[in-house]
Amino acid sequence: GQQVQQSPASLVLQEGENAELQCNFSTSLNSMQWFYQRPGGSLVSLFYNPSGTKQSGRLTSTTVIKERRSSLHISSSQTTDSGTYLCGGSWQLIFGSGTQLTVMP
Amino acid sequence: EAGVTQSPRYAVLQEGQAVSFWCDPISGHDTLYWYQQPRDQGPQLLVYFRDEAVIDNSQLPSDRFSAVRPKGTNSTLKIQSAKQGDTATYLCASSLQGRAEQFFGPGTRLTVL
Repeated sequence: GQQVQQSPASLVLQEGENAELQCNFSTSLNSMQWFYQRPGGSLVSLFYNPSGTKQSGRLTSTTVIKERRSSLHISSSQTTDSGTYLCGGSWQLIFGSGTQLTVMP
Repeated sequence: EAGVTQSPRYAVLQEGQAVSFWCDPISGHDTLYWYQQPRDQGPQLLVYFRDEAVIDNSQLPSDRFSAVRPKGTNSTLKIQSAKQGDTATYLCASSLQGRAEQFFGPGTRLTVL
């Protein structure tokens, strides 16, 4: 079945630094969605991006369908960006284990 | 527009007890999903419905878990005889017909002692 690899598993940044989060799928995709989750919190949709590049504020998502990968770029990180970032692919959303991001002041 | 709502938000049980979770999807969304998210892991699909029909329940532990959506709107997920391994957050999501983008509710955090 479909498997999803997210990297890095965890990341610690100083405020103001940029981050690049990766999501790789073992088989072809027909859907891609990025989420943000605080500890104990729900999933907040950041991007629905099945292909191409989308930007929202300091966040940019790029999905390359042919290469079965997607990335999330966070620029000028802030302490409030701390949390877990999850990617999910296919209609029934196969999720990776997430990237735990900590932004230090 | 109201988002996906779930109740209860928290549940604490002893092993062997039963529990039900309730989900109200976004109005007009025909597809409803239930996920289980163990601590420090990504969510895993349990079951999903289109209207009142079960489309895929292959990951639902059928001996103790059941899910219904009788009128194609609200849904209930039930665990009979809970085990410690069921400790997780149970998430409900919904999507609009023909669209893959999913919207999640706040989840129910279950602890089985």
